[in-house]
Amino acid sequence: QVQLVESGGGVVQPGRSLRLSCAASGFTFRNYAMHWVRQAPGKGLEWVAIISYDGTNKFYADSVKGRFTISRDSSKNTLYLQMNSLRAEDTAVYYCARDRGSWVLDIDYWGQGSLVTVSS
Amino acid sequence: DIQMTQSPSSVSASVGDRVTITCRASQGLAGWLAWYQQKPGKAPKLLIYAASSLQSGVPSRFSGSGSGTDFTLTISSLQPEDFATYYCQQANSFPITFGQGTRLEIK
Repeated sequence: QVQLVESGGGVVQPGRSLRLSCAASGFTFRNYAMHWVRQAPGKGLEWVAIISYDGTNKFYADSVKGRFTISRDSSKNTLYLQMNSLRAEDTAVYYCARDRGSWVLDIDYWGQGSLVTVSS
Repeated sequence: DIQMTQSPSSVSASVGDRVTITCRASQGLAGWLAWYQQKPGKAPKLLIYAASSLQSGVPSRFSGSGSGTDFTLTISSLQPEDFATYYCQQANSFPITFGQGTRLEIK
């Protein structure tokens, strides 16, 4: 079955960096676009970024553009989110998620989430 | 950016009730609208995609309809496990955006 397992979250000071990883299994990773979606405590869902099945196309939310970078390593079935210049408002649970297709833009499977807390 | 507005923000209902949640987009979506269910402490779950297509494994009491800018999610007969928060999401253009959520509570 499809499994997405995030890791790398934790507490980080404002201005510092953190990298999230997402290990994918149970499907052919290289055939699907992948997303990161976040949810601040007690708030709604906010889409963060998408990467195409082959890694050539990437789009970001304006709130993270220029600070976050999405990438993938299909040899390792792993998705990444490099987060630089972190701010307090980046505090959230970050979900790794699978696009329903190669570029459909909705999401059929989600990881369990990884909490990132930006605080001094 | 396409703004997604859900109504109501919260609703109280009883087991067996029929409930409808509405989602309005600030621009036409050409049918690219998805609905998700989220329970506390859990990841969201896809219910409906392309406005009216039921995701595999989702009970048939869930249905979606609409086109253009106005969409609805209907639960025909509420079950205890349906009490959760529901989100719509537009899949038409970047940036992808979600509605603010509708919390469905037990009356």
